[in-house]
Amino acid sequence: AQTVTQSQPEMSVQEAETVTLSCTYDTSESNYYLFWYKQPPSRQMILVIRQEAYKQQNATENRFSVNFQKAAKSFSLKISDSQLGDTAMYFCAFKQGGSEKLVFGKGTKLTVNP
Amino acid sequence: DAGVTQSPTHLIKTRGQQVTLRCSPKSGHDTVSWYQQALGQGPQFIFQYYEEEERQRGNFPDRFSGHQFPNYSSELNVNALLLGDSALYLCASSLEDRTGTQYFGPGTRLLVL
Repeated sequence: AQTVTQSQPEMSVQEAETVTLSCTYDTSESNYYLFWYKQPPSRQMILVIRQEAYKQQNATENRFSVNFQKAAKSFSLKISDSQLGDTAMYFCAFKQGGSEKLVFGKGTKLTVNP
Repeated sequence: DAGVTQSPTHLIKTRGQQVTLRCSPKSGHDTVSWYQQALGQGPQFIFQYYEEEERQRGNFPDRFSGHQFPNYSSELNVNALLLGDSALYLCASSLEDRTGTQYFGPGTRLLVL
């Protein structure tokens, strides 16, 4: 069974600085997708960024980018120019190609300080 | 463009009762998945509905059942509620495409007393 591990339960960063959240996963499959979701205190889970395993290029979305290391099964999220609105729980999720379910990590609570 | 909506937002039930949660998918989406998120944990997959059929199921007992309607909206039913069923229930919708990227609703907070 696939597993997703987020080793940092909590992190904090100063406004305008850069922070990196870690995620590792375990799979024997070659076709899969990886996601980062953000869940603010309002609780709505919001898609931040998506990476397709067959793509070598790391995905970017504005201030958010990933470092996808397929051999190491690592998928970290970098947030640049952190903003107060980035304060939230961040979940890493894995979806195997052909499967419908997302497998989530336990999350990292990120606090952006003014 | 309407996003995923869920109702109700909060619900309080007692042990042994039954509950129905509702979800309307994002406009244009045809697939609905349900997740249970216990406090302080990541969401756990319950099941997914496509073309009004349960397509895949996670490790949840038969007390958890669902339905999808012709307009793609969905219901999650939980029978014989247990204290441990207290959680945030999230609905996610997606397109039947290569990635199946899921977009979540705001959730229903269920408290079982």
